[in-house]
Amino acid sequence: AQSVTQLGSHVSVSEGALVLLRCNYSSSVPPYLFWYVQYPNQGLQLLLKYTTGATLVKGINGFEAEFKKSETSFHLTKPSAHMSDAAEYFCAVSVGSNDYKLSFGAGTTVTVRA
Amino acid sequence: GAGVSQSPSNKVTEKGKDVELRCDPISGHTALYWYRQSLGQGLEFLIYFQGNSAPDKSGLPSDRFSAERTGGSVSTLTIQRTQQEDSAVYLCASSQEPGTGNEKLFFGSGTQLSVL
Repeated sequence: AQSVTQLGSHVSVSEGALVLLRCNYSSSVPPYLFWYVQYPNQGLQLLLKYTTGATLVKGINGFEAEFKKSETSFHLTKPSAHMSDAAEYFCAVSVGSNDYKLSFGAGTTVTVRA
Repeated sequence: GAGVSQSPSNKVTEKGKDVELRCDPISGHTALYWYRQSLGQGLEFLIYFQGNSAPDKSGLPSDRFSAERTGGSVSTLTIQRTQQEDSAVYLCASSQEPGTGNEKLFFGSGTQLSVL
């Protein structure tokens, strides 16, 4: 079975600073990896996903994540935080092309300081 | 509507009562999913509907939980004899038919269930 661990339930960054959200996964087969974001009072939205191919994946709103098989990681980064990035971020893993049986991490809440 | 709609947004019930949670998926989406998010936990898969195929119920935590999808559109998640541990946010999502390269899930805002 696959699982995800997100390191840090809360992250606080200054506006303009680097955003780094850590995600490690375990999977017995090649994983499909996802980052979802939940803005206040909104539903979850897909930020980006890795399936196969290029290990650096670019998503919406300037976010990107790199799949590192040797480290079983899929950390999410954004070079310069914006106030609008304040949200809860979820890392998820699935097996196969249908991502419905996603295993989600517990989430990381990001706050951005002016 | 433009997105996945869930109702009610909040539900408070007494232990032992039955509850029904409703999900209206995006029009044209053949796949519908239910997840549960407990406090401090990640999302937990509950059940998956795809077209007219038999649903994947492998995530339902007990036989008190059931779901149906009528006419391939609206879905209802029913929890019988609710327990306090059922308190969570119940999220519904829909997507276009899997395997087409359009498996992106669109989530509703959820139903916050509180069992007293």
